[in-house]
Amino acid sequence: DVKVTQSSRYLVKRTGEKVFLECVQDMDHENMFWYRQDPGLGLRLIYFSYDVKMKEKGDIPEGYSVSREKKERFSLILESASTNQTSMYLCASSIRGLYEKLFFGSGTQLSVL
Amino acid sequence: GDSVTQMEGPVTLSEEACLTINCTYTATGYPSLFWYVQYPGEGLQLLLKATKADDKGSNKGFEATYRKETTSFHLEKGSVQVSDSAVYFCALSDPGGYQKVTFGTGTKLQVIP
Repeated sequence: DVKVTQSSRYLVKRTGEKVFLECVQDMDHENMFWYRQDPGLGLRLIYFSYDVKMKEKGDIPEGYSVSREKKERFSLILESASTNQTSMYLCASSIRGLYEKLFFGSGTQLSVL
Repeated sequence: GDSVTQMEGPVTLSEEACLTINCTYTATGYPSLFWYVQYPGEGLQLLLKATKADDKGSNKGFEATYRKETTSFHLEKGSVQVSDSAVYFCALSDPGGYQKVTFGTGTKLQVIP
């Protein structure tokens, strides 16, 4: 089975801190995605990557950046965390192709105090 | 841009009741359509998908038909179980570009014995 592993299940950070969320997939998938999930808003795409060192902005990229130095790893970076970035963050990966499903990690619940 | 609208929750049903969760979409071109399910404490997983008009996706007793004329993909199940309690997300995959997936806001289903 495909495994998408997010480094932390729960994370508590202070306002202004630099935060790294890590995601690793073990099935050689080309595409990787970062979403945030908020009640009443569903999942919103922050960034995605379709190849190593390639990235594309999603719907809500402001305040975030990403890094993909290796195919299996996709990192989400909050340069200066703010309270409105408190959320559940979900990483996903997929094979390149129109009909391919996303495989999700279990999520990281980030609280910014 | 692409968008997905699904019915508000939460939905509470008794065991063995019929379920319908409405989903409509807006997209350019011909997207693929998906239903994902999120069980408590877990990431999302694919429930079913349909890749072209009039296709019916089905899995675990759930089914949904891709209706191009009404731009809909309603999720149905004839007899729900307590174990179906979860959050259900309708989603579409952009046929162009880099396979960007857009999600609805999610519908929480609670099935009571």
